[in-house]
Amino acid sequence: AQTVTQSQPEMSVQEAETVTLSCTYDTSESDYYLFWYKQPPSRQMILVIRQEAYKQQNATENRFSVNFQKAAKSFSLKISDSQLGDAAMYFCAYRSKGGSEKLVFGKGMKLTVNP
Amino acid sequence: NAGVTQTPKFQVLKTGQSMTLQCAQDMNHNSMYWYRQDPGMGLRLIYYSASEGTTDKGEVPNGYNVSRLNKREFSLRLESAAPSQTSVYFCASSGFAFSSEQYFGPGTRLTVT
Repeated sequence: AQTVTQSQPEMSVQEAETVTLSCTYDTSESDYYLFWYKQPPSRQMILVIRQEAYKQQNATENRFSVNFQKAAKSFSLKISDSQLGDAAMYFCAYRSKGGSEKLVFGKGMKLTVNP
Repeated sequence: NAGVTQTPKFQVLKTGQSMTLQCAQDMNHNSMYWYRQDPGMGLRLIYYSASEGTTDKGEVPNGYNVSRLNKREFSLRLESAAPSQTSVYFCASSGFAFSSEQYFGPGTRLTVT
C-alpha cells in the first residue's frame, strides 16, 4: 500500500518570503499522480498543484512550484512571495494511475504567514 | 454549477443515534468518495464509488454504510453513532479521465456525544 509522509507538522514564513513544504511517499508503482491540496480555515479543500510521475518537468502554477524527485520519492512544494492568504493546512496526496482514483493523503502541515 | 454539495454542514448526535450524510455533484462525474478528517490524521477514505451502482470499502469503513443512489448522489449512513465517529466528513468526486482531480464538498462537522 502507498503511504505519504509530511514530517513537519507546522511551519511559518514571513510575508513576501519563500517557503518549501516537504513530502515523501512510498510506492512500488512507476506511474502515478501527486497533488498538493490547501485547506484554509473555511475547511474547503482546494487543489494547488498536480504532478504526473512520468513527466520529468516540475509543475508550476503561478507562485507555486514543486520539486519532484522520483528516485528519492520526494515531492516538495515551494511557495514564492508568500501572502497572508496562503496561511492554511497543506496536504500532500498520492493517486495511482488507473483503478479507482483513490487519494492517499499525508497528515498535513499548518502554514502560518507572518505580516 | 454548484460543484459538490453536502448536507448538513453541522450535526450533533447522541451515541446510538443514526443519521445519513447527503452528497450530490453536478459535474457528471463517475467517481465519488467519502473521507473523514481527524486532527493530525489527514483525510482517510471511508468508502468510494467508481461508478453508478458500485461501492467499495476504503481505509476506515467500519461503522458506516453508503448508497450510490444515482450518478449525482452518494450518501453516507451511520447506523449507530459512536463518539469515535466525531469528525469532519468530506465528500468528493472526480471525472473519468485519469488525470482528473478530485473536487471536494464543504464538509460536515459531526459531533457524537
